[in-house]
Amino acid sequence: DSGVTQTPKHLITATGQRVTLRCSPRSGDLSVYWYQQSLDQGLQFLIQYYNGEERAKGNILERFSAQQFPDLHSELNLSSLELGDSALYFCASSPPRRGNAHTQYFGPGTRLTVL
Amino acid sequence: ILNVEQSPQSLHVQEGDSTNFTCSFPSSNFYALHWYRWETAKSPEALFVMTLNGDEKKKGRISATLNTKEGYSYLYIKGSQPEDSATYLCANYYGGSQGNLIFGKGTKLSVKP
Repeated sequence: DSGVTQTPKHLITATGQRVTLRCSPRSGDLSVYWYQQSLDQGLQFLIQYYNGEERAKGNILERFSAQQFPDLHSELNLSSLELGDSALYFCASSPPRRGNAHTQYFGPGTRLTVL
Repeated sequence: ILNVEQSPQSLHVQEGDSTNFTCSFPSSNFYALHWYRWETAKSPEALFVMTLNGDEKKKGRISATLNTKEGYSYLYIKGSQPEDSATYLCANYYGGSQGNLIFGKGTKLSVKP
């Protein structure tokens, strides 16, 4: 158990719908990262927040957005869902920066199925 | 430019075999190289973070080496056990103090008893 929690574990929805995925980082970690893992693809970085502020953006679609709240939990909002958005979505957290280590601790993931 | 390549894509070995696989990454502007172990139905778990050319790290029967000049890292597993079956991911940390990880697609290892 990494200490990172994600809810829900599974989500089944229809095309065109909107869903929210939730992540709570490890105690003391300020950074939260979101990743998407689709079939036959590696982990694709979506977005990073650090202490409430957006820090870096990766391959995140405009239909997707995220935020990190004052209690440091984060939500990833996916809207106008398409079949291709079906994937495993991971959240990870890391402690305040120490050199180049930046080990990330992953949550159990949310499996999203769009029908 | 930022691609991380891992080979082989999958590997099947017998219990007791030793094995190794490769991670290739851009050698320019190198900061750190991460290895993760990802078991089915679980979340990726950090194995090593490597930063210096020539680094060697070890955890039990698993070890890793790093060559930043030529842009590759090897992961070795000595005397593979069925519980070593997992996907092994490497990730290149890039971008300085505000950087992030670029993951390879992983090497899926299956160890038969």
